[in-house]
Amino acid sequence: NAGVTQTPKFRVLKTGQSMTLLCAQDMNHEYMYWYRQDPGMGLRLIHYSVGEGTTAKGEVPDGYNVSRLKKQNFLLGLESAAPSQTSVYFCASSAGTPYGYTFGSGTRLTVV
Amino acid sequence: AQSVTQLDSHVSVSEGTPVLLRCNYSSSYSPSLFWYVQHPNKGLQLLLKYTSAATLVKGINGFEAEFKKSETSFHLTKPSAHMSDAAEYFCVVRFYNQGGKLIFGQGTELSVKP
Repeated sequence: NAGVTQTPKFRVLKTGQSMTLLCAQDMNHEYMYWYRQDPGMGLRLIHYSVGEGTTAKGEVPDGYNVSRLKKQNFLLGLESAAPSQTSVYFCASSAGTPYGYTFGSGTRLTVV
Repeated sequence: AQSVTQLDSHVSVSEGTPVLLRCNYSSSYSPSLFWYVQHPNKGLQLLLKYTSAATLVKGINGFEAEFKKSETSFHLTKPSAHMSDAAEYFCVVRFYNQGGKLIFGQGTELSVKP
């Protein structure tokens, strides 16, 4: 089925460990986004990309890095995980204005 | 700058009674506005969107929202709540630049009592 796939769905990390979250879309969308969701704060934008090879910072980029080497993939990296990064992470993609957005099902990350 | 404020963090209604979830926005441009719903431990589902066409927007599951420029509001309503409407609702504004990124409100949790 066409859509946005996030890998993994769940992960527990120890403080200081690193990991990469993968977002893959098969709709040929130019724009991709990474959000984090925390209780009472809605979703906040971490990083986004307007096309292959491009990335830009969102509202809360500290502690994260991203890459968009292929148009269909948008990777979110945590180099040294901290408990404050415990959250649910959502990826989204879009073909741009005036089109809508497609969200992945989320990755629940716990850092202990 | 564009931003969105949801005026209630939690709303509780009885089944069969009307639902009102309030949202105010701030935008330098004519905004694109959305309402998303998230059921417990689920992903985000689009309820409806406003993109400068009709000011009264109808969405899925009987929800609708009215864009009021003079009040900078985009409140979500439903005439009669159903138990399955219990979820968290997000009002969202879209930037026209910066990759068309979405800015989310803080969310309103809707509880429906039998």
